[in-house]
Amino acid sequence: DGGITQSPKYLFRKEGQNVTLSCEQNLNHDAMYWYRQDPGQGLRLIYYSQIVNDFQKGDIAEGYSVSREKKESFPLTVTSAQKNPTAFYLCASSSEEPTDTQYFGPGTRLTVL
Amino acid sequence: EDQVTQSPEALRLQEGESSSLNCSYTVSGLRGLFWYRQDPGKGPEFLFTLYSAGEEKEKERLKATLTKKESFLHITAPKPEDSATYLCAVQLSGYSTLTFGKGTMLLVSP
Repeated sequence: DGGITQSPKYLFRKEGQNVTLSCEQNLNHDAMYWYRQDPGQGLRLIYYSQIVNDFQKGDIAEGYSVSREKKESFPLTVTSAQKNPTAFYLCASSSEEPTDTQYFGPGTRLTVL
Repeated sequence: EDQVTQSPEALRLQEGESSSLNCSYTVSGLRGLFWYRQDPGKGPEFLFTLYSAGEEKEKERLKATLTKKESFLHITAPKPEDSATYLCAVQLSGYSTLTFGKGTMLLVSP
């Protein structure tokens, strides 16, 4: 089955620790995205990548880092510099053809203890 | 600043009671408007894309329409399984990224 997988589903982190969230897709999509969702808020873009080895900051990139070494994978690292990391993190991917629609993974809920 | 506003924030309907959700936008150069459905604790599920004013798309009990300033998601004779948060997002010309509204939480009671 084609789709987007995110792991883990739930993640707990102590303050001061970096943590990496995994996102993998087998849809052969060129573009991948990371969003953050907080209660009562819309999805906010953290980083996106339109091609391997290239990525751009979104609206709220501070305290986060990404890499895109393979087309299928776009991991997100939440660093200790992120002041309020507890949130629901969503990964998405898209392809220009035929419609450029973004498809989402199931999400990772990160809680900082 | 580009903005996407969804209303109402929450809507409670009785089963069979039709209604509409609104998504208004103030952007320059709309490429497409997207509707998603999101169940609690899950990722958004794609519903529709609309590209030009006057366009309509339907899927089961849902119909999405687009004007130059807003989009409506009409829900006809809803069922309890239609309960979810409905998200609207816009994509600007020349960009692949989306700007999302805060969503409308729909609850359909039996």
